[in-house]
Amino acid sequence: DQQVKQNSPSLSVQEGRISILNCDYTNSMFDYFLWYKKYPAEGPTFLISISSIKDKNEDGRFTVFLNKSAKHLSLHIVPSQPGDSAVYFCAASAYDYKLSFGAGTTVTVRA
Amino acid sequence: DAGVTQSPTHLIKTRGQHVTLRCSPISGHKSVSWYQQVLGQGPQFIFQYYEKEERGRGNFPDRFSARQFPNYSSELNVNALLLGDSALYLCASSPSRDTNQPQHFGDGTRLSIL
Repeated sequence: DQQVKQNSPSLSVQEGRISILNCDYTNSMFDYFLWYKKYPAEGPTFLISISSIKDKNEDGRFTVFLNKSAKHLSLHIVPSQPGDSAVYFCAASAYDYKLSFGAGTTVTVRA
Repeated sequence: DAGVTQSPTHLIKTRGQHVTLRCSPISGHKSVSWYQQVLGQGPQFIFQYYEKEERGRGNFPDRFSARQFPNYSSELNVNALLLGDSALYLCASSPSRDTNQPQHFGDGTRLSIL
C-alpha cells in the first residue's frame, strides 16, 4: 500500500527557472516530512524537512510547503541549477523512525 | 567527519546463499535503519535499531535479520537468497530517538542475485 505518492516520474526545467515537485500522502498520522536528492551510485542526501505543525520551511534555494488538509506537499527550487539534476524522493514518518518514500521524480535542468 | 559508510559496495550471490551487509553510522549517531530499494521504486523500510535493540520492523520475511553492536555499527543478514532480493540496500543513521530528525544515508550496497 503506497502511502506516499509522487505522480510525476520526471520533470524538465530551464536553468534559472523554478522547479516544483509534488507529493501526496494518504496516512493522516504522518507528522514529519522530508525531501531527499539522489545522484546515481550515491545514497539519498537529505535536503529539507518540515514538521506537521508548520506549513512552510525554507533553506536557501529550497522551500517545502505542506497542505495538511489536502495531504499534499511540494518542493520549490529557485533558481534551478544544472547540479540540481537528480532523482528527488519525498518521504514521511508517523511518530516513529520508519520512513515511507515515494517512487521519486527525476529532475533534468536544461542549460 | 565521515558520513554513513557501508560495505561492500557491490556483491554478487547465487540463489540460496546468505549475505551479510555492514554499516557504520555517523560518529555519535545511535540509531541505524536499513532500507531496500529496487529499481524504479523508493526505499522500503526493513529494520530500525536504537541502542542495540530492534525498534521497528518492516514487511519483510524472517529471512531478513539484523543486529547492532556496542559501537552502534550494524549488520543486515539475508538468508536463502531469492532473485527478488536483488536491490540496493541502504543504511541510514540519526542521532537519537527523536523522530523529528532527518536520517542520513550511506551510498548503499548493490546486491545482485544470479
